Amino acid sequence: KQEVTQIPAALSVPEGENLVLNCSFTDSAIYNLQWFRQDPGKGLTSLLLIQSSQREQTSGRLNASLDKSSGRSTLYIAASQPGDSATYLCAGLTGGGNKLTFGTGTQLKVEL
Amino acid sequence: GAGVSQSPSNKVTEKGKDVELRCDPISGHTALYWYRQSLGQGLEFLIYFQGNSAPDKSGLPSDRFSAERTGGSVSTLTIQRTQQEDSAVYLCASSLLGTGDGELFFGEGSRLTVL
Repeated sequence: KQEVTQIPAALSVPEGENLVLNCSFTDSAIYNLQWFRQDPGKGLTSLLLIQSSQREQTSGRLNASLDKSSGRSTLYIAASQPGDSATYLCAGLTGGGNKLTFGTGTQLKVEL
Repeated sequence: GAGVSQSPSNKVTEKGKDVELRCDPISGHTALYWYRQSLGQGLEFLIYFQGNSAPDKSGLPSDRFSAERTGGSVSTLTIQRTQQEDSAVYLCASSLLGTGDGELFFGEGSRLTVL
């Protein structure tokens, strides 16, 4: 059974700081790994998708990496802004491609 | 449509009543997922539809929960005889491909409160 863990559970940083969010998973036979953002009371917004054959993906100030052998993914946020404040979730797709297992999330607060 | 649409956005019901939650996926997406997010907990997989294949219902918590997808598009999640522990946000997602290649896009969710 796939288990996904995210560290830290909460993080508070000053504006402008670069930061790394960590995601670890137990089953390396994942099809892809996806990072999402969730604002309070809202649904999930997809940020980045890394296929199992890929090592990383970049979008603007975001960079996500995937290391299947170690069961880890990281989300790097450069030059953080208050608008980045949200909960960040990683999720791995396994089990024949039909189950996205979510991590517990990292609640990020970027302060002025 | 432009995105995944869910209705109602909020539903308050009394214990024992039945509720229906609707999901309208992105046009052309063959895969559709239902997840549940309870207060202070992570997202829990409920059910998955892919094309005309039999749905994966392995995540449904009890036989009070059921879902259908008509015409390969709109899906309805039905909860019968609701209980207070059913209170949660029910999220629907769709994907262009359900084989692990596709990115999942989520709706805003339906917040269910059972009194």
